Amino acid sequence: GQSLEQPSEVTAVEGAIVQINCTYQTSGFYGLSWYQQHDGGAPTFLSYNALDGLEETGRFSSFLSRSDSYGYLLLQELQMKDSASYFCAVRDRGTALIFGKGTTLSVSS
Amino acid sequence: ETGVTQTPRHLVMGMTNKKSLKCEQHLGHNAMYWYKQSAKKPLELMFVYNFKEQTENNSVPSRFSPECPNSSHLFLHLHTLQPEDSALYLCASSQGGAGEFYEQYFGPGTRLTVT
Repeated sequence: GQSLEQPSEVTAVEGAIVQINCTYQTSGFYGLSWYQQHDGGAPTFLSYNALDGLEETGRFSSFLSRSDSYGYLLLQELQMKDSASYFCAVRDRGTALIFGKGTTLSVSS
Repeated sequence: ETGVTQTPRHLVMGMTNKKSLKCEQHLGHNAMYWYKQSAKKPLELMFVYNFKEQTENNSVPSRFSPECPNSSHLFLHLHTLQPEDSALYLCASSQGGAGEFYEQYFGPGTRLTVT
């Protein structure tokens, strides 16, 4: 079957650094995406990795190792507004995405 | 605002009712998607339309019937639903076509409760 595993919950304090891991097992693989979803809101796109390595976008970075079927999202200088759910998603064919169950990040002051 | 709108935002329906969810995108995209989001479960892809053609039906029960009259509009027709169909239904759109990555833009969702 196809599956993506990520931790269900992560807690941290403002200013800290947090890493959310994602391991995947899918029949095909074109790339790994990350989406953020605030409570009651729509998922919004954060990053996409098709090749191995680190992609940096401001305070957020995403890493991919295709040989290990593994990636992570790194959030730096955490702010209260970063409290949300974070989903990894694999593009296994065409335009469709397979999503993980999501990681709820709680940032406290 | 992501450029994808969904109506209604909330819907309560009985198991014998027929209702429709509507999605509209103002981004000029060619691909549209329906997802189901239940508590404690991953977003589940239901249907994909590329250039108005259905390219994916993820083993969705026939009580859910999608319709894509043009690249900007997507409907999900509902009939004789079950209580376990209660969930958040999300619509998304992206540039179409295979081979390239295009990020998906999600609407705010319709919170459906089946009584």
